[in-house]
This record gives sequence, structure tokens and C-alpha cells, in this order.
Amino acid sequence: ETGVTQSPTHLIKTRGQQVTLRCSSQSGHNTVSWYQQALGQGPQFIFQYYREEENGRGNFPPRFSGLQFPNYSSELNVNALELDDSALYLCASSLAWTSGGYTGELFFGEGSRLTVL
Amino acid sequence: DQQVKQNSPSLSVQEGRISILNCDYTNSMFDYFLWYKKYPAEGPTFLISISSIKDKNEDGRFTVFLNKSAKHLSLHIVPSQPGDSAVYFCAARETTSGTYKYIFGTGTRLKVLA
Repeated sequence: ETGVTQSPTHLIKTRGQQVTLRCSSQSGHNTVSWYQQALGQGPQFIFQYYREEENGRGNFPPRFSGLQFPNYSSELNVNALELDDSALYLCASSLAWTSGGYTGELFFGEGSRLTVL
Repeated sequence: DQQVKQNSPSLSVQEGRISILNCDYTNSMFDYFLWYKKYPAEGPTFLISISSIKDKNEDGRFTVFLNKSAKHLSLHIVPSQPGDSAVYFCAARETTSGTYKYIFGTGTRLKVLA
């Protein structure tokens, strides 16, 4: 069983630039969500994708956008980068539902650490 | 507005003793609660969960207790081991129109002393 993988692991951008982060879901998982974790904080929900459509969003501006592909992999795009966008970006995959009980767990990747200068 | 709060940023416990990590929440609509453990340079890993209709769930050395009237949950680790040293996040799930949204606390750094 393949876990959640994210790329790149680290990157540095300057203010105003655009960035694309990538995520491959755990095998068999059809839902992917993205989280931003700033230093000293817990992960904050950005949005979730199911069947290639966004079906939930947190308090993030429209310059945060995403895609989910037919193979359930996903991208997070951030335009017009700001200094406060510096954070660890976590991708998590899950199953929308299962028969026989659902523990509700998310499976996280190791994250992409973005630094905006 | 912090809907899920972990008021203790850090906790130190002697090896073999009990570790108790606490979490408070404000939204009575949360239907599932989870604990995650995070080591440096790794993503959070799932530890244990509890449905809002239960008050206790146990898995080996880990037990989660839920007190709905107090809007409080706790994670007990018995006995604590040095390998348990990590940051622990409490998370609560909100289900709206078939969408799951998870709200995380700010984490508690547990240090188990050998």
C-alpha cells in the first residue's frame, strides 16, 4: 500500500510569485484535503476535493486554488505569494466513506515546506 | 476563534508513568474526534479516534475519553515510553452537507524522560 507523497519537500519563493505543490493520495483513497501549518500552530484546513471537485473550503482567499485529477492525485496552487504564506503545507487523503465502519482518519504526507522571502 | 484548544503547549512525564493530554472544544456539532502524533520532519500520523456517541475508546496503551457535557477530551498514554515523545494534535470533525472538515488544536509537545 503506497502512502501519501508530496513534492517538493522544500522550496523558496519570493513575494508575488506563484507556487504549485503536488500530492499523490494513498492507494484507494478518493478524497484529498490540504492543510497549512504555520510555525507553532496546528494544521489549518484549506480545502478538500472529492471526485475532482472542491467540496469544502476553509478561511483562505481565492488565490489558494486546487485541482484533483482522475487518479485522485492533487495540486495546490498559491498565487501572489505573501510573506505569511510561509508554512508547512500538508496533503491528506481519506475515504469518503467505507462499509463496516469509518474511523474518520486522515492520512498525511510529510508536507512541503514553503518559505516566502 | 479557536474551536479546538490545547491549552498546554508542553508536558514532561517520566518513563513508565501516565501521560494525560487535554483538549477542549466549543462546537457541539463536532461528530468525531481524533488524536494525531507528529515527529519532526514528518506528517501527522493517526493515533486513535472516538465518535461523539461514545465516551471512551481504548487501543493498547492509548485511551481517549470524551466528556460531551464539558466539551472536553483527553488522551491517556500508559505506560509512557521515550518513543512517545512527539507533538500531539487533537482534531475534531465537522460534517456539513456530506463534507468532512477537520479542525486541529495547536498541539502539545510531550517529552517522556528516560
